[in-house]
Amino acid sequence: GDSVTQMEGPVTLSEEAFLTINCTYTATGYPSLFWYVQYPGEGLQLLLKATKADDKGSNKGFEATYRKETTSFHLEKGSVQVSDSAVYFCASNFGNEKLTFGTGTRLTIIP
Amino acid sequence: NAGVTQTPKFQVLKTGQSMTLQCAQDMNHEYMSWYRQDPGMGLRLIHYSVGAGITDQGEVPNGYNVSRSTTEDFPLRLLSAAPSQTSVYFCASRGTGDVNEQFFGPGTRLTVL
Repeated sequence: GDSVTQMEGPVTLSEEAFLTINCTYTATGYPSLFWYVQYPGEGLQLLLKATKADDKGSNKGFEATYRKETTSFHLEKGSVQVSDSAVYFCASNFGNEKLTFGTGTRLTIIP
Repeated sequence: NAGVTQTPKFQVLKTGQSMTLQCAQDMNHEYMSWYRQDPGMGLRLIHYSVGAGITDQGEVPNGYNVSRSTTEDFPLRLLSAAPSQTSVYFCASRGTGDVNEQFFGPGTRLTVL
């Protein structure tokens, strides 16, 4: 079945460091891919998405590129801020109700 | 717009008790879903609905019932709570115009003793 594997955390970085959170997927076909972010005490929010191979999703300085050849959708940010501290979830979807989530990566940015 | 709202925010139950988690959205979305979030397991789909009067099972439906009598509301019922249902529950909705983006509520943290 479909699955999403993402980098285990927790991840702790200093402010202004470069961030990469790895995500790979397995699926029969080509799903849409997402990164969701969950700030403390809140629900999930869509951070960015890509619906086909080679698409790049971007938002708030974060980027991720849909790589069909490596079945990956790694999340990157060039310079993280304390306010980026949150849990990040990679997810896949074939346009139905079933979002398949990774286990989440907790990111902490220290000043 | 309030978006997706959930009540209560926190709940403690004893084994065998029943309760209903409420979910409402004011975006006129056709699709609504319930997920549970457990440590190290991401979010898993419990039940979903593609419109009023239509519901279907997700990945982990056992122990939960749902109904969808209106477009706005999608309550989740636990008929006889078990400790294995201790979790954080999220309701989500999406419109037919965007097949990809789901909007999540703030969650209900449930503890079953």
